[in-house]
Amino acid sequence: LAKTTQPISMDSYEGQEVNITCSHNNIATNDYITWYQQFPSQGPRFIIQGYKTKVTNEVASLFIPADRKSSTLSLPRVSLSDTAVYYCLGAQGGKLIFGQGTELSVKP
Amino acid sequence: GAVVSQHPSRVICKSGTSVKIECRSLDFQATTMFWYRQFPKQSLMLMATSNEGSKATYEQGVEKDKFLINHASLTLSTLTVTSAHPEDSSFYICSALMGGGGLETQYFGPGTRLLVL
Repeated sequence: LAKTTQPISMDSYEGQEVNITCSHNNIATNDYITWYQQFPSQGPRFIIQGYKTKVTNEVASLFIPADRKSSTLSLPRVSLSDTAVYYCLGAQGGKLIFGQGTELSVKP
Repeated sequence: GAVVSQHPSRVICKSGTSVKIECRSLDFQATTMFWYRQFPKQSLMLMATSNEGSKATYEQGVEKDKFLINHASLTLSTLTVTSAHPEDSSFYICSALMGGGGLETQYFGPGTRLLVL
């Protein structure tokens, strides 16, 4: 399982684009990168998942360079409701080990 | 799609009693489910992997006789906290694994807040 490292916290303002980078130097060949969002007293919510290059869905984009040793979650035009903890995880065969995540604070 | 429910959402019990928490995958079948525990201001800690039709696999330091897991069907896993004590008070979250063929995704339930008095 890939050990991931993320910034502990980030601040942003409404309407800005937020990029959260995660490093996973020892990611395995079969590992996918998955990002989750968690609000207080709720279970984590799946955001996006990818293996390499770029993946985009209706809420975010995920950039994974060719060496796959890092990934960047991009949130376009954040709002106050995007204030949450964001987790980056490597997973293969389903098992996930959560790191401390990045606490994103969006200010008006 | 990919909805996971938990019941109850909140439970308060007396010390020494047992509490059962249910985790259901509502719109997909899940051979594998997971149970996590989360203390305030901390990350999720994996407790065990629940496999349908077989014994659960527990993480190091998690007492299997304390936290009983049953995965009797492809849509239901239960976690029973036996002889609960105040230190067992926590936020318990389950997840269900969807997919296969190399791409699998965990979808999480809303969590169960347990308070042991």
